[in-house]
Amino acid sequence: GIQVEQSPPDLILQEGANSTLRCNFSDSVNNLQWFHQNPWGQLINLFYIPSGTKQNGRLSATTVATERYSLLYISSSQTTDSGVYFCAAGGATNKLIFGTGTLLAVQP
Amino acid sequence: EADIYQTPRYLVIGTGKKITLECSQTMGHDKMYWYQQDPGMELHLIHYSYGVNSTEKGDLSSESTVSRIRTEHFPLTLESARPSHTSQYLCASSLPGNTEAFFGQGTRLTVV
Repeated sequence: GIQVEQSPPDLILQEGANSTLRCNFSDSVNNLQWFHQNPWGQLINLFYIPSGTKQNGRLSATTVATERYSLLYISSSQTTDSGVYFCAAGGATNKLIFGTGTLLAVQP
Repeated sequence: EADIYQTPRYLVIGTGKKITLECSQTMGHDKMYWYQQDPGMELHLIHYSYGVNSTEKGDLSSESTVSRIRTEHFPLTLESARPSHTSQYLCASSLPGNTEAFFGQGTRLTVV
């Protein structure tokens, strides 16, 4: 099945800084999603992006399916951006497989 | 906005008890999933369903069982809870194919 790897595993930023999170996947995908897990454990949908580029406020994402990676950009980070960011990929089996996540801490 | 609900949100239960975690969605989604997540770790797929009367085991072996009698309902059952079952359980749903999945708020289970 698909293997999903995320980097970096941990990231500490000062408020206002920009960051890029990376997601590599081992096979062709038909689904690629980015989530933010809040301190209460709930997964918040950020992007559904099997290919191309999308933007939503200070967040944007790009998936280059042919090169098997996706990037999540966070600009002008805020303390409320803290938490764990997961990417998840789905391929031929239609199962959504999660990466190990990036733990982001934004300091005031 | 996703309409998928899990109950209870938190559950503390003694070893050996039978428990059922509820998951319901009002979006008419055919596909539903259960994931297990230990603190600070990634999510592992333990069960999924493509529709009514369809259930499959996921990539992580689990002693739990599921049923899908109605499209909107996908309960997970542990016949005899053990401390090793302590974890967070997250339910999700999506339309057929590789479409966007939406998650419930999760159930934090503690077995003492």
